[in-house]
Amino acid sequence: EDKVVQSPLSLVVHEGDTVTLNCSYEVTNFRSLLWYKQEKKAPTFLFMLTSSGIEKKSGRLSSILDKKELFSILNITATQTGDSAVYLCAGARNKLVFGAGTILRVKS
Amino acid sequence: DSGVTQTPKHLITATGQRVTLRCSPRSGDLSVYWYQQSLDQGLQFLIQYYNGEERAKGNILERFSAQQFPDLHSELNLSSLELGDSALYFCASSVEGAGNSPLHFGNGTRLTVT
Repeated sequence: EDKVVQSPLSLVVHEGDTVTLNCSYEVTNFRSLLWYKQEKKAPTFLFMLTSSGIEKKSGRLSSILDKKELFSILNITATQTGDSAVYLCAGARNKLVFGAGTILRVKS
Repeated sequence: DSGVTQTPKHLITATGQRVTLRCSPRSGDLSVYWYQQSLDQGLQFLIQYYNGEERAKGNILERFSAQQFPDLHSELNLSSLELGDSALYFCASSVEGAGNSPLHFGNGTRLTVT
């Protein structure tokens, strides 16, 4: 059965800190790994990773995929209170299989 | 704004009733997905349609059904509702299949069954 596991389950940091969120996956016929940010409503798309070792960056966020170890990380540098959210990782084949998410709280 | 529109935003109904949730995908997207999100289960895949045809099925109950119409909007029908069906129901759309292009989510319909 497909499985996506995220760690930690929750995290509290101070503004300016750097955080690393982890995602391991076991997804049959895996095609890509996606990261989403969910605040109050819809998950919003952050990154889609298909190749190992190639870092994707968007501002203070970056992510990388290791297809050998079946693992991905999401880094957020210089965190801000607006980064407080649930971060979801999903393994993709013909559907997205989501992890339970990491709850990030950034304190000012 | 993702461009995916879901209606209604909220639904409150009684056990045993039937409801219909509606989704309009982003312009140009052919794939529509339905997900259920509850506190103890996270985001659970229900069903996917591509250009009007069912493509993949997940943990969708027999009491639930969906379809995608020629104009690409989709409806999720939930019948014989139970208390445990209370959840946030998301629709998402993508240009291609989930592995090849990202899904973009609507704001969801919050269903409360009393």
